[in-house]
Amino acid sequence: GENVEQHPSTLSVQEGDSAVIKCTYSDSASNYFPWYKQELGKRPQLIIDIRSNVGEKKDQRIAVTLNKTAKHFSLHITETQPEDSAVYFCAARDSSYKLIFGSGTRLLVRP
Amino acid sequence: DAGVIQSPRHEVTEMGQEVTLRCKPISGHNSLFWYRQTMMRGLELLIYFNNNVPIDDSGMPEDRFSAKMPNASFSTLKIQPSEPRDSAVYFCASSLSSGRYGLITDTQYFGPGTRLTVL
Repeated sequence: GENVEQHPSTLSVQEGDSAVIKCTYSDSASNYFPWYKQELGKRPQLIIDIRSNVGEKKDQRIAVTLNKTAKHFSLHITETQPEDSAVYFCAARDSSYKLIFGSGTRLLVRP
Repeated sequence: DAGVIQSPRHEVTEMGQEVTLRCKPISGHNSLFWYRQTMMRGLELLIYFNNNVPIDDSGMPEDRFSAKMPNASFSTLKIQPSEPRDSAVYFCASSLSSGRYGLITDTQYFGPGTRLTVL
């Protein structure tokens, strides 16, 4: 089955700097890669997603890149703000329906 | 749209008691997922329904866990008897799916979760 690894587990950046979170997956048939943001005590919320026919997608300060050959994808947050502080989860959906989640990255943006 | 609705938001019970968690998916969505989140194991998929039919329950930890979806707008997750190790946040998510058995699922939207504490 699919296995998703996420790094780093914690990330601390200064406000205004960029943050990058990386994930790798094992199943080459995986075709959908969402990223979720979870604030403390809240539900995971989709912030951006990418499908396997696209290499990069951007939405304002957030971008995701996908390298199908290397089987890894990354989340990039530019001009970070304190409200970006949260736990971020990557996920991969393989040829079946299941979303397999990474272990999460706790991002802290220092004012 | 109210989004996915879960109840109760918090549940504290004693070991051995029956616990029932409830979920109302987003109207028009045909797939429903139950997840469990703990610090140790992260987000785990417990069971998946498509068009009210359980498709895969391989994530259900034990026979103590059961889930039902009697109609398109309601699902329950029951734990009987509950144990302290069942303490976790339980999320319900829904999506719109297509294809055979609804295997092509679109974005999953999560409910607010139920924080379960078993003493």
